[in-house]
Amino acid sequence: EPEVTQTPSHQVTQMGQEVILRCVPISNHLYFYWYRQILGQKVEFLVSFYNNEISEKSEIFDDQFSVERPDGSNFTLKIRSTKLEDSAMYFCASSETPAPRGYTFGSGTRLTVV
Amino acid sequence: GENVEQHPSTLSVQEGDSAVIKCTYSDSASNYFPWYKQELGKRPQLIIDIRSNVGEKKDQRIAVTLNKTAKHFSLHITETQPEDSAVYFCAASRTGGFKTIFGAGTRLFVKA
Repeated sequence: EPEVTQTPSHQVTQMGQEVILRCVPISNHLYFYWYRQILGQKVEFLVSFYNNEISEKSEIFDDQFSVERPDGSNFTLKIRSTKLEDSAMYFCASSETPAPRGYTFGSGTRLTVV
Repeated sequence: GENVEQHPSTLSVQEGDSAVIKCTYSDSASNYFPWYKQELGKRPQLIIDIRSNVGEKKDQRIAVTLNKTAKHFSLHITETQPEDSAVYFCAASRTGGFKTIFGAGTRLFVKA
């Protein structure tokens, strides 16, 4: 079964540093998403991406965040200057068609900001 | 703004009993309601979903019901097994929107 893959599985970074989280969506999918989950809390929408542009973003996705599809396979989330409260599990997801539909989530990147 | 409320936050049942998790949504335009199961340290996985043109859907031991008028939807697990122990999230989304709004989750414990 096709999978969404994410790297790294765990990233530890110092406050104020930039991090890039990487995702490889399922190959024939056209819609890409980032969600985050603070430990023990709900899954929260960050951003959706289609046709090389952001289609929707949440209030969490401020100027410190950016997304990019640098080539035909990768989809990245960059946090420019990390804060302690950015510590969370970040899940990438992709879908063949837009919402409303269920997602295939990646295995996640646990980001720890110290 | 859009919101999904989920109850209870924790549910403990004896193996073989049924478990029911309830959610309400605020956006009346929501028309798709997935349920995800998340085991400890793993990704959420879609287990069942229901669209607004259907009132009930069943897949083996799990079923979902939807009451559009009341903006309620529920997950029912029958004959629970220890491997059903996990956190379950309800969610809602709508046509034309790109995001899914998740509930806060229900931690289900199934005691052997």
